[in-house]
Formats: sequence, structure tokens, C-alpha cells
Amino acid sequence: DTAVSQTPKYLVTQMGNDKSIKCEQNLGHDTMYWYKQDSKKFLKIMFSYNNKELIINETVPNRFSPKSPDKAHLNLHINSLELGDSAVYFCASSQAGVVFFGPGTRLTVL
Amino acid sequence: AQSVAQPEDQVNVAEGNPLTVKCTYSVSGNPYLFWYVQYPNRGLQFLLKYITGDNLVKGSYGFEAEFNKSQTSFHLKKPSALVSDSALYFCAVRGPNTNAGKSTFGDGTTLTVKP
Repeated sequence: DTAVSQTPKYLVTQMGNDKSIKCEQNLGHDTMYWYKQDSKKFLKIMFSYNNKELIINETVPNRFSPKSPDKAHLNLHINSLELGDSAVYFCASSQAGVVFFGPGTRLTVL
Repeated sequence: AQSVAQPEDQVNVAEGNPLTVKCTYSVSGNPYLFWYVQYPNRGLQFLLKYITGDNLVKGSYGFEAEFNKSQTSFHLKKPSALVSDSALYFCAVRGPNTNAGKSTFGDGTTLTVKP
């Protein structure tokens, strides 16, 4: 299937741990994103990459570090997890302004 | 800076009735406007977009939206609602020169269609 995929779907971890979320798109898009959706369902952009280069960093704490090994992949690594990091994280890619979202990773920090 | 307002947190309609989900925007230049739908425990799905041309755009699942430049609005409509339309709807905007195509999303409107 052509799509944006991300793993894992669920992530439950303790405060202070480090975790990663992987994302891949096979749509051939140049631009990829990470979005955070909080418990009130508000959606906020975190990062945007264009052809493996960071374009947007929306004042996200340094504990969050995206990595794009190639334009089809954009992974998100989070250090020293905090309770407030609990949210659903969506990877996405875009073409002609239309954003295609992955299924989301629900991160719960205990 | 670009912004989107969805003035209603919740919209309730009866099945078979018309529905409207409101959206107003602010952006420099001509807007690119989008609607997305999010079903429970799923990612957002693209519904429709306006970039140029006819002010009434048609999208997936029988939805349409009307671009009104003077009112800076892009309301989502459907003539006859279905229970399966119940979901969270997001309006989004970007400007023509927005860096790397960054869209700004509204806070979402929960649509509930009752049988």
C-alpha cells in the first residue's frame, strides 16, 4: 500500500527513558513532518524536513531530535521523557500542499 | 503569520439534515485551504482543498466547501449528513509562499450525527 507508516503504534514508558518512533513514506514526497496531538486533540507541527534537510523547528525542546536518513524516512528520538510528552505523534508527508498523515503513535509516559 | 479559527468545538446534527462546519482564516496572499477528517484512533485524512478557481469545491464522501474571500471563510458542508460522518474535522491554511508548505491547522470541530 502507498502510505505513510510509523512504528510503534503504542509506546508506554517511564519518565526519564529515551525512545524512538520510526516513520516511512513511499509516496515519493520531498517534505515530511512530525505533528503532536495533545489530549484535547489540538494538532501542532513540531518539525518539517525537505529532502532530508530541517526546514521548520517549532520551538520544540532539545530532547526531541528528528533524523532523516533519506527523504523517505523521518524518525523521531526523544530523550529524558517527561509526563507532558504523553500525546499522539503523527508523521506526515506532503505534496502540492496536501498533507498525508500516518496512523499515529500513542506515547504514554508514566 | 497565518491562522485558522474553527469557532465551534462541537456540531450536532440529525441524520439526513444538512451540516455546516465553520472555518475562518488569516494569511498573507492568496490562501491554500484544506479540510481534513479524523476518525477515532486514526490519522487525519484529506477531504478537499481550495487553491484557485471555482469557489465551491467538492471532495470525498459527498463533502463540499465554499471559499468566501470577502469573509475569509471556508465552511465545510454536506447536504445530507450520515451517522458515519461523525468525526473530528480540521480546517487548515497555508500561504502561497509558506516555507516548505507548512499548513496551520485549526483546533478541530467534533461533528456528531445522531440517527
